[in-house]
Amino acid sequence: AQSVTQLGSHVSVSEGALVLLRCNYSSSVPPYLFWYVQYPNQGLQLLLKYTSAATLVKGINGFEAEFKKSETSFHLTKPSAHMSDAAEYFCAVSESGGYNFNKFYFGSGTKLNVKP
Amino acid sequence: DADVTQTPRNRITKTGKRIMLECSQTKGHDRMYWYRQDPGLGLRLIYYSFDVKDINKGEISDGYSVSRQAQAKFSLSLESAIPNQTALYFCATSLGGTGELFFGEGSRLTVL
Repeated sequence: AQSVTQLGSHVSVSEGALVLLRCNYSSSVPPYLFWYVQYPNQGLQLLLKYTSAATLVKGINGFEAEFKKSETSFHLTKPSAHMSDAAEYFCAVSESGGYNFNKFYFGSGTKLNVKP
Repeated sequence: DADVTQTPRNRITKTGKRIMLECSQTKGHDRMYWYRQDPGLGLRLIYYSFDVKDINKGEISDGYSVSRQAQAKFSLSLESAIPNQTALYFCATSLGGTGELFFGEGSRLTVL
C-alpha cells in the first residue's frame, strides 16, 4: 500500500523568504511523485513531477523538488516566496508500473500563507 | 472552454435523494477518476476507470457508484445521499503512461 505524509497543514512565510513544504512517502516499488497546487475555488494544477529521471526536478513558478530515496522524501522548495504563491499544495504518489500504475494517492495538503 | 468539465458546480440536496455528478473531457484521455476532497484529509480516490469497460473501486467507494458512458464521460452517483457525503468532488483524467492528472474545477455537494 502507498501513503503520503505532508508535515504541517499550514505554513506561513514572509514574502521573499524560502518556501519549504515537506512530503514523505511510502511505496514498495519505485514511485512517481508529484506536487500539485490548488488556488482558491479552482481544481488542482501540476507543479512538477518525478518519474525516475533527474532527482532534482524543476517545475513551474520557480518551484523545485528533490527526490531522496534514502529518506523517502520529496520536499518542495522555492527560494523566494511571492504573494501569488499563497495556495494549498498537495504531494501525490503513484507506482511506476504494475497494477497500481496511474493510481494516484494524495497527501492531506499544506496551506501556504505568504505575509507581506 | 475547460478540458475537463464537471456539472453541476454546486448542488444542495436532502438526505436520501439520488444525486448524479457528471464529468466530460475533451483531452482524449483514456483514464478517468473521481476524487473527494475534505478539509484536512486531502483527496481520496472514490472510483477510477482505465477505459470504457474497466471500472475499479478506490479507497472510499461505499455509498457511491459510477458509469463510464463513453471514453469522454464518467459519472458519479450517490444513490441515497447522506450528510457525511458533503464534500468537494473532483473529476480527473490522465493519459496512460504519462503519470499526470488533469482536474476539473470541482463540484461542491451539500447534503442536508
